[in-house]
Amino acid sequence: RKEVEQDPGPFNVPEGATVAFNCTYSNSASQSFFWYRQDCRKEPKLLMSVYSSGNEDGRFTAQLNRASQYISLLIRDSKLSDSATYLCAVNVGSSNTGKLIFGQGTTLQVKP
Amino acid sequence: DVKVTQSSRYLVKRTGEKVFLECVQDMDHENMFWYRQDPGLGLRLIYFSYDVKMKEKGDIPEGYSVSREKKERFSLILESASTNQTSMYLCASSWAGIQYFGAGTRLSVL
Repeated sequence: RKEVEQDPGPFNVPEGATVAFNCTYSNSASQSFFWYRQDCRKEPKLLMSVYSSGNEDGRFTAQLNRASQYISLLIRDSKLSDSATYLCAVNVGSSNTGKLIFGQGTTLQVKP
Repeated sequence: DVKVTQSSRYLVKRTGEKVFLECVQDMDHENMFWYRQDPGLGLRLIYFSYDVKMKEKGDIPEGYSVSREKKERFSLILESASTNQTSMYLCASSWAGIQYFGAGTRLSVL
């Protein structure tokens, strides 16, 4: 089993739709969780951190489920500009190293 | 804003050449990382460094080495480039668990 797994998609949705991605992780000791966005041929950029209590930033909501060991990203009212690959990342070992394991990414295509 | 700068966006090299990829960050971060990214394989960690002159192997260190002589600079070295090292190379630095990436270097080895 991979340490961090995502459904690669692609998820094809119409504008205005709500879409959700999940990301499972295998190390129950993981403490830090993140969602990154990567546009085609560009570098990953932090979208949001995922806290135990969940967090929301505009149309984006991230949740952590420790019992089932997954994090989720919900995008409401999808825009064309949301089309990208979304990578989840989970810390490894001590948070001091900053070492993360990344999922392979989930591709989202928002259609007009 | 955190700035991570990679010296080249595109590089074309020949098999057997020694290749240097440079990465500089301006935020005094202690931890720095080198990844390669290939379609279907995601981000794979090559090497990382948590302090000057300190380095640790990642998941795929074979064929690569690194140098960290100054805190702000982390270099990736391909000792003898091979065609299977054609890839997108991404450098990152880290603070408070969050990694910040450079724009990437797309390396082609012919």
